[in-house]
Amino acid sequence: GQQVMQIPQYQHVQEGEDFTTYCNSSTTLSNIQWYKQRPGGHPVFLIQLVKSGEVKKQKRLTFQFGEAKKNSSLHITATQTTDVGTYFCAGETGANNLFFGTGTRLTVIP
Amino acid sequence: DSGVTQTPKHLITATGQRVTLRCSPRSGDLSVYWYQQSLDQGLQFLIQYYNGEERAKGNILERFSAQQFPDLHSELNLSSLELGDSALYFCASSRRGPDTQYFGPGTRLTVL
Repeated sequence: GQQVMQIPQYQHVQEGEDFTTYCNSSTTLSNIQWYKQRPGGHPVFLIQLVKSGEVKKQKRLTFQFGEAKKNSSLHITATQTTDVGTYFCAGETGANNLFFGTGTRLTVIP
Repeated sequence: DSGVTQTPKHLITATGQRVTLRCSPRSGDLSVYWYQQSLDQGLQFLIQYYNGEERAKGNILERFSAQQFPDLHSELNLSSLELGDSALYFCASSRRGPDTQYFGPGTRLTVL
């Protein structure tokens, strides 16, 4: 069945270091979304990527959608303590379903 | 504030009991999704409703059921509760199909 995997599952970084999480789908996606869940909070939508090879930036966050539309990445430059949380990708298939990835929990050490 | 409301915020109950979780979607959203998130786990998709009709089913146990009412609010019913059902239950809503989902604050269920 459809699966969306994320790696790594956990990541600890020193404040100021960069961070990247990767999302891989077993099938081609029509689009991919990214969500952030702060500790004790609920997932919050960050961005949606639709086009093959698309790259979008939000301040220190860079999102990429692979050429084959099967993978995506989120890169954070110079992490801050406010970046702490779990980052989820969610891929939509043509069958009108949205599959959430397993999430990457980011810890930022001050 | 996402505009999605969930009640109650916390629920503590005993094994074997039945509970109902309630969700009100954002104004104008027709789709409602239910997710279960256990400690240190990702989001497990349970079920989706669209405009009152069941649209998709995920890893929802037979002891669990849901419905979406004409006013578009939704309820998730959990019965014959077990210790392992203790988790955060999130509701999310979207305009139509798998658009951007807006999550509610969640209901924390503790089964003792």
